[in-house]
Amino acid sequence: EVQLQQSGAELGKPGTSVKLSCKVSGYNIRNTYMHWVNQRPGKGLEWIGRIDPANGNTIYAEKFKSKATLTADTSSNTAYMQLSQLKSDDTAIYFCAMPLYGSPFDYWGQGVMVTVSS
Amino acid sequence: DVVMTQTPPSLSVAIGQSVSISCKSSQSLVYSDGKTYLHWLLQSPGRSPKRLIYQVSNLGSGVPDRFSGTGSQKDFTLKISRVEAEDLGVYYCAQTTHFPYTFGAGTKLELK
Repeated sequence: EVQLQQSGAELGKPGTSVKLSCKVSGYNIRNTYMHWVNQRPGKGLEWIGRIDPANGNTIYAEKFKSKATLTADTSSNTAYMQLSQLKSDDTAIYFCAMPLYGSPFDYWGQGVMVTVSS
Repeated sequence: DVVMTQTPPSLSVAIGQSVSISCKSSQSLVYSDGKTYLHWLLQSPGRSPKRLIYQVSNLGSGVPDRFSGTGSQKDFTLKISRVEAEDLGVYYCAQTTHFPYTFGAGTKLELK
């Protein structure tokens, strides 16, 4: 069974960075992409970007190019997203997701709440 | 960016009723391989989204056949026949034909 297990909630101060993890079990991430999506409080879903763990190639939505950095460690089957220069507007739930059948969003992590506050 | 316009923003339904949700894109979602990468997801309260339908009309594993998806090019519809309590939540359409991938604003399905 494929499962995506994300790291715990984060509280970050403005101007700092946080690094989120998404550990995959039941499937080798070398054979797929890993996507990240956010959801601000009470709002809809927003695609941040994706990484090809096999070669590290990334694609980002324009607004996240200087905000998010996606990496992956195939030895631990884990994807990461670092969020830098945190602002209150970055307060959101962040999900990892991965394709397996027909869409990039076939499997989801449980989400991690990132709260930016001084 | 491709704008996904979902209507209505909310629906109030009785159990057993059938409903439809519309999703229109600002550009054609037909990819160069001939496939259309339009998907439907459901986010139940307090949960991660769950993919229901992929590529317009393909039901995900374990998704009841009360759900169906139709459409082409820029105009898509999700139909739920005989709504059950477990169907309540927010439905999103998502396009993955063009980068950046984009979602509709969501349709909240509530009990009448």
